Amino acid sequence: DSGVTQTPKHLITATGQRVTLRCSPRSGDLSVYWYQQSLDQGLQFLIQYYNGEERAKGNILERFSAQQFPDLHSELNLSSLELGDSALYFCASSVGHANTGELFFGEGSRLTVL
Amino acid sequence: AQSVTQLDSHVSVSEGTPVLLRCNYSSSYSPSLFWYVQHPNKGLQLLLKYTSAATLVKGINGFEAEFKKSETSFHLTKPSAHMSDAAEYFCVVSYTSGTYKYIFGTGTRLKVLA
Repeated sequence: DSGVTQTPKHLITATGQRVTLRCSPRSGDLSVYWYQQSLDQGLQFLIQYYNGEERAKGNILERFSAQQFPDLHSELNLSSLELGDSALYFCASSVGHANTGELFFGEGSRLTVL
Repeated sequence: AQSVTQLDSHVSVSEGTPVLLRCNYSSSYSPSLFWYVQHPNKGLQLLLKYTSAATLVKGINGFEAEFKKSETSFHLTKPSAHMSDAAEYFCVVSYTSGTYKYIFGTGTRLKVLA
């Protein structure tokens, strides 16, 4: 058990809909990272937050947004969903923001868009 | 630009034989290097990490990796494969300069034959 909790584990929805994925980082970790894993594109970095502030941005679509709340949990919002958004979404956390420490991963949220 | 290359997308070994998973990285600054393992439908778990201490790094489950600066390599090895080692393995690099994200390789799927 990594200590990172993601909900929901599975989500099935239709095109055009909006979903929210939630992540609770490991106790004491201030950084949260979001990744998308799909068969055709592998593991893609989406965005990083550190202590409530956006720290780094990767290949995140404009239809997607995220935030980190004062209690350090984070939410990834996916809107106007398309079939191609079907993927496994991972959250990871780390203590700092310098990108040198270990990342602790949750078990992921599997999104299926029909 | 920083990058990491996993030279084999698939590796098959027989149970009890050595495992070698290859990883090369591009280097502009001093890197931190990691190997993660992902079992089916699970999150990623850290096997080992290199952060400029000893060049031979020992990890969990009998895995180890050697940092070779001259070859810009960080290959993962295990003397004797076990059936439970069948999984996908990711080489990851991050840098201590700037606000760079973690850079994941494309993964190597390890198959262990009985």
